[in-house]
Amino acid sequence: DQQVKQNSPSLSVQEGRISILNCDYTNSMFDYFLWYKKYPAEGPTFLISISSIKDKNEDGRFTVFLNKSAKHLSLHIVPSQPGDSAVYFCAASATQGGSEKLVFGKGTKLTVNP
Amino acid sequence: NAGVTQTPKFQVLKTGQSMTLQCAQDMNHNSMYWYRQDPGMGLRLIYYSASEGTTDKGEVPNGYNVSRLNKREFSLRLESAAPSQTSVYFCASSELGAYSYEQYFGPGTRLTVT
Repeated sequence: DQQVKQNSPSLSVQEGRISILNCDYTNSMFDYFLWYKKYPAEGPTFLISISSIKDKNEDGRFTVFLNKSAKHLSLHIVPSQPGDSAVYFCAASATQGGSEKLVFGKGTKLTVNP
Repeated sequence: NAGVTQTPKFQVLKTGQSMTLQCAQDMNHNSMYWYRQDPGMGLRLIYYSASEGTTDKGEVPNGYNVSRLNKREFSLRLESAAPSQTSVYFCASSELGAYSYEQYFGPGTRLTVT
Protein backbone atom coordinates (compact mmCIF):
# COMPACT_ATOMS: atom_id res chain seq x y z
CA ASP A 1 0.00 0.00 0.00
CA GLN A 2 1.46 3.29 -1.08
CA GLN A 3 1.86 5.60 1.91
CA VAL A 4 3.01 8.62 -0.09
CA LYS A 5 1.19 9.34 -3.32
CA GLN A 6 1.96 11.75 -6.12
CA ASN A 7 -0.99 11.28 -8.41
CA SER A 8 0.25 13.45 -11.27
CA PRO A 9 3.08 11.74 -13.18
CA SER A 10 3.74 14.92 -15.15
CA LEU A 11 3.03 18.64 -15.19
CA SER A 12 3.75 21.23 -17.87
CA VAL A 13 3.76 24.99 -17.21
CA GLN A 14 4.88 28.14 -18.95
CA GLU A 15 7.95 30.03 -17.81
CA GLY A 16 7.02 32.73 -15.29
CA ARG A 17 3.80 31.01 -14.17
CA ILE A 18 3.22 29.08 -10.96
CA SER A 19 3.94 25.36 -10.71
CA ILE A 20 1.96 23.43 -8.11
CA LEU A 21 3.00 19.88 -7.30
CA ASN A 22 0.80 17.82 -5.02
CA CYS A 23 1.39 14.98 -2.60
CA ASP A 24 -0.96 12.95 -0.40
CA TYR A 25 -0.06 10.62 2.44
CA THR A 26 -1.95 7.99 4.38
CA ASN A 27 0.18 7.35 7.46
CA SER A 28 -0.89 9.67 10.27
CA MET A 29 2.43 8.99 12.04
CA PHE A 30 4.34 10.98 9.41
CA ASP A 31 5.43 14.26 10.95
CA TYR A 32 8.18 15.54 8.67
CA PHE A 33 7.97 16.06 4.94
CA LEU A 34 10.56 16.84 2.29
CA TRP A 35 10.70 17.64 -1.41
CA TYR A 36 13.57 16.45 -3.57
CA LYS A 37 14.45 17.47 -7.11
CA LYS A 38 16.11 15.10 -9.55
CA TYR A 39 17.73 15.82 -12.89
CA PRO A 40 18.41 12.95 -15.34
CA ALA A 41 21.55 10.94 -14.58
CA GLU A 42 21.99 12.67 -11.20
CA GLY A 43 21.07 11.82 -7.64
CA PRO A 44 18.10 13.52 -5.95
CA THR A 45 18.89 16.80 -4.20
CA PHE A 46 17.05 18.23 -1.24
CA LEU A 47 14.83 21.19 -2.01
CA ILE A 48 12.68 22.14 0.97
CA SER A 49 11.08 20.53 4.01
CA ILE A 50 8.32 21.13 6.55
CA SER A 51 7.58 19.84 10.01
CA SER A 52 4.04 18.90 10.95
CA ILE A 53 3.98 21.67 13.54
CA LYS A 54 3.92 24.17 10.67
CA ASP A 55 1.56 24.68 7.76
CA LYS A 56 3.90 26.64 5.49
CA ASN A 57 7.59 26.92 4.80
CA GLU A 58 9.10 29.27 2.26
CA ASP A 59 12.54 29.40 0.66
CA GLY A 60 12.93 31.87 -2.16
CA ARG A 61 10.76 30.79 -5.09
CA PHE A 62 9.75 27.56 -3.34
CA THR A 63 6.95 27.24 -0.80
CA VAL A 64 5.61 24.06 0.75
CA PHE A 65 2.12 23.98 2.26
CA LEU A 66 0.93 21.27 4.63
CA ASN A 67 -2.72 20.45 5.36
CA LYS A 68 -2.58 17.84 8.11
CA SER A 69 -6.33 17.29 8.33
CA ALA A 70 -6.40 16.43 4.61
CA LYS A 71 -3.04 14.60 4.75
CA HIS A 72 -1.96 16.71 1.81
CA LEU A 73 1.04 18.81 0.96
CA SER A 74 1.92 20.88 -2.05
CA LEU A 75 5.02 22.53 -3.48
CA HIS A 76 4.59 25.90 -5.16
CA ILE A 77 7.27 27.28 -7.46
CA VAL A 78 6.85 30.95 -8.36
CA PRO A 79 7.92 32.06 -10.89
CA SER A 80 8.75 28.85 -12.71
CA GLN A 81 11.96 28.78 -14.74
CA PRO A 82 13.15 26.35 -17.46
CA GLY A 83 15.90 25.18 -15.10
CA ASP A 84 13.19 23.91 -12.75
CA SER A 85 12.38 21.17 -15.27
CA ALA A 86 13.08 17.97 -13.34
CA VAL A 87 11.38 15.14 -11.48
CA TYR A 88 10.14 16.15 -8.04
CA PHE A 89 9.77 13.59 -5.27
CA CYS A 90 7.75 14.05 -2.13
CA ALA A 91 9.04 12.17 0.93
CA ALA A 92 7.80 11.65 4.46
CA SER A 93 9.21 10.45 7.76
CA ALA A 94 7.75 9.30 11.05
CA THR A 95 10.31 10.79 13.41
CA GLN A 96 9.03 9.47 16.71
CA GLY A 97 11.35 6.77 17.96
CA GLY A 98 14.27 8.31 16.12
CA SER A 99 13.42 6.77 12.76
CA GLU A 100 15.37 8.33 9.93
CA LYS A 101 13.72 6.37 7.15
CA LEU A 102 12.04 8.31 4.36
CA VAL A 103 9.13 7.04 2.30
CA PHE A 104 9.09 8.47 -1.20
CA GLY A 105 6.32 9.09 -3.68
CA LYS A 106 6.69 8.02 -7.30
CA GLY A 107 7.57 11.51 -8.49
CA THR A 108 6.13 14.18 -10.77
CA LYS A 109 7.99 15.25 -13.89
CA LEU A 110 7.80 19.03 -14.23
CA THR A 111 8.45 20.64 -17.61
CA VAL A 112 8.74 24.42 -17.73
CA ASN A 113 8.38 25.70 -21.28
CA PRO A 114 10.19 28.90 -22.33
CA ASN B 1 34.29 17.78 0.12
CA ALA B 2 32.93 15.18 -2.33
CA GLY B 3 29.72 14.37 -0.41
CA VAL B 4 28.45 10.89 -1.34
CA THR B 5 30.38 8.96 -3.97
CA GLN B 6 29.36 5.72 -5.67
CA THR B 7 31.26 3.26 -7.82
CA PRO B 8 30.84 2.08 -10.48
CA LYS B 9 28.65 4.49 -12.45
CA PHE B 10 27.51 1.81 -14.90
CA GLN B 11 27.60 -1.99 -14.83
CA VAL B 12 26.27 -4.78 -17.01
CA LEU B 13 25.97 -8.23 -15.47
CA LYS B 14 24.81 -11.58 -16.73
CA THR B 15 22.16 -13.45 -14.76
CA GLY B 16 23.77 -15.26 -11.85
CA GLN B 17 26.87 -13.09 -11.63
CA SER B 18 27.70 -11.28 -8.41
CA MET B 19 28.94 -7.78 -7.74
CA THR B 20 29.34 -5.19 -5.01
CA LEU B 21 28.28 -1.56 -5.30
CA GLN B 22 30.46 0.77 -3.28
CA CYS B 23 29.39 3.92 -1.45
CA ALA B 24 31.37 6.36 0.65
CA GLN B 25 30.52 9.66 2.34
CA ASP B 26 32.84 12.29 3.77
CA MET B 27 30.29 14.23 5.83
CA ASN B 28 30.78 12.21 9.02
CA HIS B 29 27.15 11.08 8.91
CA ASN B 30 26.00 8.24 11.10
CA SER B 31 23.24 6.91 8.86
CA MET B 32 23.52 5.48 5.36
CA TYR B 33 20.98 4.05 2.93
CA TRP B 34 20.64 2.10 -0.30
CA TYR B 35 17.70 2.77 -2.64
CA ARG B 36 16.70 1.54 -6.03
CA GLN B 37 14.79 3.61 -8.56
CA ASP B 38 12.69 1.94 -11.23
CA PRO B 39 10.57 3.73 -13.85
CA GLY B 40 7.28 4.85 -12.35
CA MET B 41 8.18 3.44 -8.93
CA GLY B 42 9.96 6.26 -7.17
CA LEU B 43 12.75 5.49 -4.72
CA ARG B 44 12.44 2.31 -2.68
CA LEU B 45 14.63 1.58 0.34
CA ILE B 46 16.64 -1.64 0.12
CA TYR B 47 18.71 -1.53 3.32
CA TYR B 48 19.85 1.11 5.74
CA SER B 49 22.40 1.50 8.50
CA ALA B 50 21.47 3.81 11.35
CA SER B 51 25.01 3.75 12.71
CA GLU B 52 28.32 1.97 12.26
CA GLY B 53 27.88 -1.71 13.04
CA THR B 54 24.11 -1.89 12.46
CA THR B 55 22.08 -2.67 9.37
CA ASP B 56 18.36 -3.16 8.82
CA LYS B 57 16.10 -4.22 5.99
CA GLY B 58 14.07 -1.70 4.09
CA GLU B 59 11.11 -2.17 1.78
CA VAL B 60 12.77 -4.37 -0.89
CA PRO B 61 15.75 -6.29 0.66
CA ASN B 62 15.38 -9.65 -1.11
CA GLY B 63 18.38 -10.57 -3.25
CA TYR B 64 20.70 -8.07 -1.58
CA ASN B 65 23.18 -7.97 1.27
CA VAL B 66 24.93 -5.00 2.80
CA SER B 67 28.05 -4.27 4.81
CA ARG B 68 28.72 -1.15 6.86
CA LEU B 69 32.49 -1.38 6.62
CA ASN B 70 33.13 1.71 8.77
CA LYS B 71 31.47 5.05 9.37
CA ARG B 72 32.28 6.25 5.85
CA GLU B 73 31.51 3.21 3.72
CA PHE B 74 28.35 1.19 3.04
CA SER B 75 28.39 -1.47 0.32
CA LEU B 76 25.55 -3.32 -1.41
CA ARG B 77 26.13 -6.83 -2.72
CA LEU B 78 24.17 -8.81 -5.27
CA GLU B 79 25.13 -12.45 -4.80
CA SER B 80 23.32 -13.83 -7.85
CA ALA B 81 22.02 -11.08 -10.10
CA ALA B 82 18.60 -11.39 -11.72
CA PRO B 83 17.02 -9.33 -14.53
CA SER B 84 14.54 -7.95 -11.96
CA GLN B 85 17.49 -6.20 -10.31
CA THR B 86 18.05 -4.03 -13.37
CA SER B 87 17.68 -0.58 -11.87
CA VAL B 88 19.42 2.62 -10.84
CA TYR B 89 20.87 2.33 -7.36
CA PHE B 90 21.36 5.33 -5.10
CA CYS B 91 23.28 5.55 -1.87
CA ALA B 92 22.45 8.27 0.64
CA SER B 93 23.59 9.47 4.04
CA SER B 94 22.13 11.61 6.79
CA GLU B 95 22.75 12.96 10.25
CA LEU B 96 19.78 13.04 12.58
CA GLY B 97 19.37 16.50 14.03
CA ALA B 98 16.70 18.69 15.46
CA TYR B 99 14.07 18.88 12.72
CA SER B 100 16.57 17.80 10.12
CA TYR B 101 15.93 14.59 8.26
CA GLU B 102 17.56 15.54 5.01
CA GLN B 103 19.35 12.76 3.19
CA TYR B 104 22.21 13.45 0.79
CA PHE B 105 22.35 11.28 -2.30
CA GLY B 106 25.15 10.00 -4.49
CA PRO B 107 25.03 10.19 -8.31
CA GLY B 108 23.78 6.61 -8.72
CA THR B 109 24.87 3.34 -10.32
CA ARG B 110 22.99 2.20 -13.39
CA LEU B 111 22.90 -1.62 -13.36
CA THR B 112 21.67 -3.81 -16.21
CA VAL B 113 21.27 -7.55 -15.73
CA THR B 114 20.87 -9.56 -18.94
